[in-house]
This record gives sequence, structure tokens and C-alpha cells, in this order.
Amino acid sequence: DVKVTQSSRYLVKRTGEKVFLECVQDMDHENMFWYRQDPGLGLRLIYFSYDVKMKEKGDIPEGYSVSREKKERFSLILESASTNQTSMYLCASSLTGWREKLFFGSGTQLSVL
Amino acid sequence: RKEVEQDPGPFNVPEGATVAFNCTYSNSASQSFFWYRQDCRKEPKLLMSVYSSGNEDGRFTAQLNRASQYISLLIRDSKLSDSATYLCVVNVDGSNYKLTFGKGTLLTVNP
Repeated sequence: DVKVTQSSRYLVKRTGEKVFLECVQDMDHENMFWYRQDPGLGLRLIYFSYDVKMKEKGDIPEGYSVSREKKERFSLILESASTNQTSMYLCASSLTGWREKLFFGSGTQLSVL
Repeated sequence: RKEVEQDPGPFNVPEGATVAFNCTYSNSASQSFFWYRQDCRKEPKLLMSVYSSGNEDGRFTAQLNRASQYISLLIRDSKLSDSATYLCVVNVDGSNYKLTFGKGTLLTVNP
């Protein structure tokens, strides 16, 4: 079965810190995604990548950047964390093509104080 | 119209009941439709894709109405284990990669 692993389940950071969220998938999937999930707002796409070194902005990319140097790893970077970035962050991967299902990691609950 | 909009819920039903959720989408060019299920404090998981002709998987039936731009999910003979949040997912801008999630509908099945 596909496994998408996120490096931390819970993370507490201070305002202004640079934060790295790591995601690794083990099924050679081309596509990888970062979402955030907030109560009342649902899941919103931050960034996605359809190939190594390729990235596309999602709906809410402001304040975030991403890196995909290897096919299996997709990193989300908060350049200068702010309190409004406190959220559940979910990484997902899929095979190429839009009918392929998304496999999600178990999420990272980030708190920015 | 919002890009993807679901019944607000919550739905509270007894075991054995039939329950239906609807989801509307804004872009008539959308081609890709799914229902995901998310248990409390867990990640979303694909429940079923939705095909033009409608499709069934056991107690679950999904339908697509392109004319009215909505999809539906019907759950028959509800089980306690069906309690979860159900998420409608659509590629609203027709892109191959960008899927937009609805806010979800919470279902609680009571004994």
C-alpha cells in the first residue's frame, strides 16, 4: 500500500521562524501536493508539483514556498511563520492524470505562537 | 455560486437509515469528481470516484448531474462505522492536477 509520511505530527514554532515541513512518498508518484485544513474552511491547496523541480501555485501560496529536489520528497517552507499559519498541513501524492486518487499523509498540526 | 458547495449538515441518522448528500460545483467544464471520507483526526481517504453514468459500491451510490452541476452520494443501511465527514472533490478549473475540496458534511450514525 502507498505510504505518505510527514515528518512531524505536531510542531510548535515561534512567529518569524523559518519552518520546514517534510513529506516523503514511497510509490514513485509523479504528483505531490500540500494542503492546509482549517475548521470551517475545509482543505485548501497551497502548492503542487507534477515532476521533480516543477511546482505550481495552488489557491493560497502566499507566505509559503516549496522544494522538490527528488521525486519522493516534497517540502513545504514557511519563510517567516505567522500566527495565521497555525493549521493542519496535509501532504498528498498521486500518479499522473486527474483520475488517480490522492493518498494523504497523516498530517502535521502546526502551532505558531 | 461557490466553486464546490456541500450540504452544511450535520446529519444525525439512526442505524439502518438511508442518507443522501449533495454537492454543487460552479464550472461546467469540470470533468473529475470524487467523494472522500475523513474520520475524526485522520487524513481524507478516497471513498469513490463519480462517473457520468453513476456508480455503485456496495451500500454507496454516487451520481452526477451535469445539467444542474451537482453530484450526490447515497448511503443505504447506514452503519455506525459510516460516521465521518464526507468531502466532495472536483477539478473546478478543468486542470489535470488541481482538485478543490468542499468543506465537508459531518455524518453521525446513532445506535
